[in-house]
Amino acid sequence: EAGVVQSPRYKIIEKKQPVAFWCNPISGHNTLYWYLQNLGQGPELLIRYENEEAVDDSQLPKDRFSAERLKGVDSTLKIQPAELGDSAVYLCASSPGGGGMWTGELFFGEGSRLTVL
Amino acid sequence: GENVEQHPSTLSVQEGDSAVIKCTYSDSASNYFPWYKQELGKRPQLIIDIRSNVGEKKDQRIAVTLNKTAKHFSLHITETQPEDSAVYFCAASIGGGGSNYKLTFGKGTLLTVNP
Repeated sequence: EAGVVQSPRYKIIEKKQPVAFWCNPISGHNTLYWYLQNLGQGPELLIRYENEEAVDDSQLPKDRFSAERLKGVDSTLKIQPAELGDSAVYLCASSPGGGGMWTGELFFGEGSRLTVL
Repeated sequence: GENVEQHPSTLSVQEGDSAVIKCTYSDSASNYFPWYKQELGKRPQLIIDIRSNVGEKKDQRIAVTLNKTAKHFSLHITETQPEDSAVYFCAASIGGGGSNYKLTFGKGTLLTVNP
């Protein structure tokens, strides 16, 4: 079974430029998460989707960040314009969703490392 | 919201020794406590978890203990091996699997096992 796939793995841009990250979750996983991981820190939730609905976006800086999950499968996270402080790893994760037999485990992708110059 | 503190930030042990990483949480309503391992440049992966109705859980060389009264939980790795070298994250959430699920991570512990 394929895991969570993210692209690009690495991205270098100049400040004020836009950037987009793409995530393909594990097939059948209804819940999708975007996490921000700064160097030497734990992942911090940016947004959580249940199917195509963003159910928790309280930590997403909405002035420059946006996300979408059309058709409830793939998701895109966009930053426009990027700032120096946005340099970090952007992790996508998925899970089968609430209830049922789900144990609580998140399945992470390998992340997209952004460097803003 | 939930706050998770993790200590130490770095830990160096000799191969074969034990390693212990400790975490505290702030929200007494938290009831699910997973541990993730992240090797350099790789994705975080779940290695063990515990729920608040259990005080201890073991899986081969890895064990986790939970003290609900004190609001702290610990990861224990015995007979450490070089491949255990990684960053370990503790986390806490309310409702592991429920609609109000929200995982808060600690800042991580870099474990180095020296051959």
